[in-house]
Amino acid sequence: QQQVKQSPQSLIVQKGGIPIINCAYENTAFDYFPWYQQFPGKGPALLIAIRPDVSEKKEGRFTISFNKSAKQFSLHIMDSQPGDSATYFCAAYATYKYIFGTGTRLKVLA
Amino acid sequence: KAGVTQTPRYLIKTRGQQVTLSCSPISGHRSVSWYQQTPGQGLQFLFEYFSETQRNKGNFPGRFSGRQFSNSRSEMNVSTLELGDSALYLCASSQGAGGTEAFFGQGTRLTVV
Repeated sequence: QQQVKQSPQSLIVQKGGIPIINCAYENTAFDYFPWYQQFPGKGPALLIAIRPDVSEKKEGRFTISFNKSAKQFSLHIMDSQPGDSATYFCAAYATYKYIFGTGTRLKVLA
Repeated sequence: KAGVTQTPRYLIKTRGQQVTLSCSPISGHRSVSWYQQTPGQGLQFLFEYFSETQRNKGNFPGRFSGRQFSNSRSEMNVSTLELGDSALYLCASSQGAGGTEAFFGQGTRLTVV
């Protein structure tokens, strides 16, 4: 019940494409859902986050879609660039801790 | 504003030794949490501190411990190191008011040989 399931494990898109990464959860106590971007050798960097009372949030080229009834949320990256090539993690927060998805390795081809 | 600072960046230790890792949070942040990142297990929660009190702890053996000081700086300690403790240890800081933005440091890469 504490898990956050993330898919796909890896993703390759062409420059300008719109990669979509999906996450699902079971625990209804989760009340905050961030996405992180991690480059090799670096710590995860917060990209965008959403609370369950909002169905969509956009920040720059990044959009979170949230479906509370389905307990699913997803990250869309508009006009993807080679510099977006990184590992992306979804997370869910409850009781002073984050539960992370297993990560999606994204490669954007030039 | 300075980010989250973790020291040291890299450590090599021998099995059976102990190690202490340090984390300085963003100024004004009172919550510090620690995570272990490995290729096999991903990001796993270790513990969280707020105003020197541990509010939650993950499923790790008692060899893993931590503390937070009055200036919000935090340390974690791993005793009797095992090969499986080799990992990237990440510290995250937040304001601490439940479900707020958490910012990670660069991590400490621990290698146990």
